[in-house]
Amino acid sequence: SQQGEEDPQALSIQEGENATMNCSYKTSINNLQWYRQNSGRGLVHLILIRSNEREKHSGRLRVTLDTSKKSSSLLITASRAADTASYFCATRAGGFKTIFGAGTRLFVKA
Amino acid sequence: DVKVTQSSRYLVKRTGEKVFLECVQDMDHENMFWYRQDPGLGLRLIYFSYDVKMKEKGDIPEGYSVSREKKERFSLILESASTNQTSMYLCASQPGRAGGHQPQHFGDGTRLSIL
Repeated sequence: SQQGEEDPQALSIQEGENATMNCSYKTSINNLQWYRQNSGRGLVHLILIRSNEREKHSGRLRVTLDTSKKSSSLLITASRAADTASYFCATRAGGFKTIFGAGTRLFVKA
Repeated sequence: DVKVTQSSRYLVKRTGEKVFLECVQDMDHENMFWYRQDPGLGLRLIYFSYDVKMKEKGDIPEGYSVSREKKERFSLILESASTNQTSMYLCASQPGRAGGHQPQHFGDGTRLSIL
């Protein structure tokens, strides 16, 4: 079964609003990553948070990690139409594998 | 910037054909991965390699094989293509050791249709 599961599966908001996506996972991790995928393209890495970190920022992105609840959230502030994409969380434990969730589809209306 | 190049964006093949998907990375990364992506299922790992000539099965290796003769190139082979292998195939590369804190870098994908 998949390690990471995103919630919601789809999200539609107006430009300028904030978008929050959540991710839950099942086992201990070394780090958790968020990726973005534009339609028909490959994934692009956004941000990585280590298991000993609780919050991380990158531009308009804010990621939190709660290892006690095995959950993470990605907040995109002041969203733009160009943020329309699918967003995936991915977890890595001690090996080489990174396990991806099924993704959240975000649609930002102009 | 890391560049991961997949040889074809779109490919159409026939059932029973042997299909080769090629992936090249230009950053001397140790690790390379092949995934397939299907709607609602996320990315599923087919095979990965952590060194030249080394390969490990992922979660869905059946019907596939891989080759890594040079560090920069990782090939995915569909031994006898079947219609259930119609999918988007994504290649990724990554530096570093097991359990490390480096992200993966992806190519743009190959959308493969098996008729």
